[in-house]
Amino acid sequence: GAVVSQHPSWVICKSGTSVKIECRSLDFQATTMFWYRQFPKQSLMLMATSNEGSKATYEQGVEKDKFLINHASLTLSTLTVTSAHPEDSSFYICSARKRGPTNEQFFGPGTRLTVL
Amino acid sequence: QKEVEQNSGPLSVPEGAIASLNCTYSDRGSQSFFWYRQYSGKSPELIMFIYSNGDKEDGRFTAQLNKASQYVSLLIRDSQPSDSATYLCAVKVFTSYDKVIFGPGTSLSVIP
Repeated sequence: GAVVSQHPSWVICKSGTSVKIECRSLDFQATTMFWYRQFPKQSLMLMATSNEGSKATYEQGVEKDKFLINHASLTLSTLTVTSAHPEDSSFYICSARKRGPTNEQFFGPGTRLTVL
Repeated sequence: QKEVEQNSGPLSVPEGAIASLNCTYSDRGSQSFFWYRQYSGKSPELIMFIYSNGDKEDGRFTAQLNKASQYVSLLIRDSQPSDSATYLCAVKVFTSYDKVIFGPGTSLSVIP
């Protein structure tokens, strides 16, 4: 199989603090990892694409200085929400692309962020 | 703006019936198409992917692709209450890099 983990699964923080979310591909090497955000009753919105060892590519409207992405290895990517505010409260989901001809993406279980 | 469209539903079918989910996409150059299932509060899980025109079957699921019409569908045979979920259509598109974009999802409810 292709297993992607995320940590933490949920986090509650105070406004103004920073939160780091980890995404790991456990049994495969992920050349590319993606970060999505999903608000209630809405679809997944791609925030950024990260390739191992290079800078992330952010989608239009996503502040790169607020959502810091680091893809340090072929199995680990992190998303840091800096100076979080209540409007950043959302379900953050990472996915990892498995190397190979099919280019399937496998999703982590998600991290529910609540900013008070 | 490359888009993926789906009927939001909810789509209700009786247990044992065939559920038909539809998706259209705007990028004519798209080559890869995916169907994901998402239960409430959970992350999406891949059901099927399809690259070639025609049908692809996997158990109770059949994906159908028509590139000329820019249309992809998912049929679920012998629907079960456990199939009740939101189904997301996803399309791999190419800009300066390739990425997968998702449709808004169709909510399916299978009535026992």
